[in-house]
Amino acid sequence: DTGVSQNPRHKITKRGQNVTFRCDPISEHNRLYWYRQTLGQGPEFLTYFQNEAQLEKSRLLSDRFSAERPKGSFSTLEIQRTEQGDSAMYLCASSVPGLDLGEQFFGPGTRLTVL
Amino acid sequence: GESVGLHLPTLSVQEGDNSIINCAYSNSASDYFIWYKQESGKGPQFIIDIRSNMDKRQGQRVTVLLNKTVKHLSLQIAATQPGDSAVYFCAENIGLSGGYNKLIFGAGTRLAVHP
Repeated sequence: DTGVSQNPRHKITKRGQNVTFRCDPISEHNRLYWYRQTLGQGPEFLTYFQNEAQLEKSRLLSDRFSAERPKGSFSTLEIQRTEQGDSAMYLCASSVPGLDLGEQFFGPGTRLTVL
Repeated sequence: GESVGLHLPTLSVQEGDNSIINCAYSNSASDYFIWYKQESGKGPQFIIDIRSNMDKRQGQRVTVLLNKTVKHLSLQIAATQPGDSAVYFCAENIGLSGGYNKLIFGAGTRLAVHP
């Protein structure tokens, strides 16, 4: 499968615990995005990487959230001291710059449930 | 501010009928729009896009119409099939400094196709 992959697909944790999600973009896609999606809503932009550089962060990304893309390939999103409000689907997308204005290819998401 | 919304949360159609999903946007400076389809448990999947210098674009069984005067976007699906059942999002592409972009999604419309 050459699409965007995300692990784990589901994560259940207790409030206050730390969680980390991984995203593997499509090979050679230098742009990587994280979004959060709550039930019944569209995805909301969280952050953007071009290669290993994090170039944009949403105000939704509180201090408890951190994202990395150390080698410009896979990315991780960590949430510290999880809260029930963090329960959502976390989506990763990747793209390449080009004439199509950067169509984004989404992964299947990681569904987080905070108890 | 920027916002993308949808007129109807749920649309039920008979198999074989045509479907029309509507979307309103508020940022008159937006120049690129995308329709995504999201099936249960999956990430959004690109369907079709349109630039603001166009008012219509056709794909396979899908047509997107853009009315910049009233800031309205629609997705038409011809001969709707059970496999078209999903949530449909319109997204507004926001260009950021550095030449990259982020997507602003609406809340989505659920399309239910009945035999």
